[in-house]
Amino acid sequence: SQTIHQWPATLVQPVGSPLSLECTVEGTSNPNLYWYRQAAGRGLQLLFYSVGIGQISSEVPQNLSASRPQDRQFILSSKKLLLSDSGFYLCAWSPPRLEGYEQYFGPGTRLTVT
Amino acid sequence: KQEVTQIPAALSVPEGENLVLNCSFTDSAIYNLQWFRQDPGKGLTSLLLIQSSQREQTSGRLNASLDKSSGRSTLYIAASQPGDSATYLCAVSPEYGNKLVFGAGTILRVKS
Repeated sequence: SQTIHQWPATLVQPVGSPLSLECTVEGTSNPNLYWYRQAAGRGLQLLFYSVGIGQISSEVPQNLSASRPQDRQFILSSKKLLLSDSGFYLCAWSPPRLEGYEQYFGPGTRLTVT
Repeated sequence: KQEVTQIPAALSVPEGENLVLNCSFTDSAIYNLQWFRQDPGKGLTSLLLIQSSQREQTSGRLNASLDKSSGRSTLYIAASQPGDSATYLCAVSPEYGNKLVFGAGTILRVKS
């Protein structure tokens, strides 16, 4: 069966510091991968998605970036965090199809920027 | 631009009651609709997926319906239990692509 992992589970970082969140998927090949952010009092917002290694699409212009160095690894990064980057970050995967299909979410990373 | 609205924002019911959560979307050109459950501080658990060609899906005490033309979906929970307490999220996928658009969710509390 498929499993999705995220780490760390929680993170407290000062403004201006770098960020690296990691997501890995087990039990499937060539998945579509997604990064979402859930800010306090707001719905889930899609940040990035990837249909293959090195293929990243950005949905929201911001100081975050994403990379997919391996088939089942998705990384969210920032060079300098802002207070507004605080939130709950969720990684998700879906089967390798072009059209919409069921998405499965990881446990999330709670990021607090101080 | 697709927008998803969920009503009510919060709901508190006694145990055993049947309840309905509502979801509406502005663009009927969807590929599927997905209902999720989120417990506090946790990730999302997929409950039901309805393809645009389907009218409803059932899983245990849950039943989700879809009226694509009117832009509406409902999640019906039968015989609610305290363990059903969570936030329920509705999300739609466009006809082309995998980009889910989420509603803000309904916070459900089932009192014992």
